[in-house]
Amino acid sequence: GEDVEQSLFLSVREGDSSVINCTYTDSSSTYLYWYKQEPGAGLQLLTYIFSNMDMKQDQRLTVLLNKKDKHLSLRIADTQTGDSAIYFCAARRENYQLIWGAGTKLIIKP
Amino acid sequence: EPEVTQTPSHQVTQMGQEVILRCVPISNHLYFYWYRQILGQKVEFLVSFYNNEISEKSEIFDDQFSVERPDGSNFTLKIRSTKLEDSAMYFCASRGAGAYNEQFFGPGTRLTVL
Repeated sequence: GEDVEQSLFLSVREGDSSVINCTYTDSSSTYLYWYKQEPGAGLQLLTYIFSNMDMKQDQRLTVLLNKKDKHLSLRIADTQTGDSAIYFCAARRENYQLIWGAGTKLIIKP
Repeated sequence: EPEVTQTPSHQVTQMGQEVILRCVPISNHLYFYWYRQILGQKVEFLVSFYNNEISEKSEIFDDQFSVERPDGSNFTLKIRSTKLEDSAMYFCASRGAGAYNEQFFGPGTRLTVL
C-alpha cells in the first residue's frame, strides 16, 4: 500500500540549516505537506507543494520535490530553538486522505 | 482566524466505557475527518464524513466506532467500549470545498484508557 517514510531524528546546531527528508510511494499524490507538531500540541500545517512544482520557498522554509524519485525535503534556514518539534511529511491521496510519515524529531543544539 | 476546536483536551476512561470526543470544525467547511496517533507511531486515518454520511473509513474504524454531526456544528467520534489499545491522540480535521483545500487540524484529544 501507500507509504511515507522519514528518518526519526535530526540534530542540528542553532543557526545552521536543517534538512528533513521524506520519501513516498504513491505517484498519484497531488499535494505533499509538511506539518509541525510541538510537544503536547496539535498538527500545524507549515507548507505544502503541488506535485507539478519542484521547489517552493516561504521565508525560512524551502520545499524541494523530486517527483521522479518521489523524494521531498524541507529545509529550514537559520534554525532556531523554537523550531524544535516533530515534523511530519504527508501525501494526499486522490480521495483527499492524508498518508503520514512517522515524523522527524528536530533537535537543536546550542 | 477560524480554527478547529476539540474537547476535551484529555480524557481518561476505564476499559469498556463509552467515550465521545467532540470537535467543532470551521464553520463553512463541508468535509470532516478523524485521525489518531498512538504514542510514538504514525498518524492514521480513521474516517471521513461528508453530507451527513461516512465517505470512507479505514480498517481501524470498526463497529466500536461511530461518527455523528448532531447539530450542524459539532462533529463527534464515539467509541462504544474502549480498549487499552484505543489510547491515543485523536485529531479532528475539516476542509472546505474547492480544487485546493487543505485540512485544518484541531489540537487533538488525548484519550487514555486504563
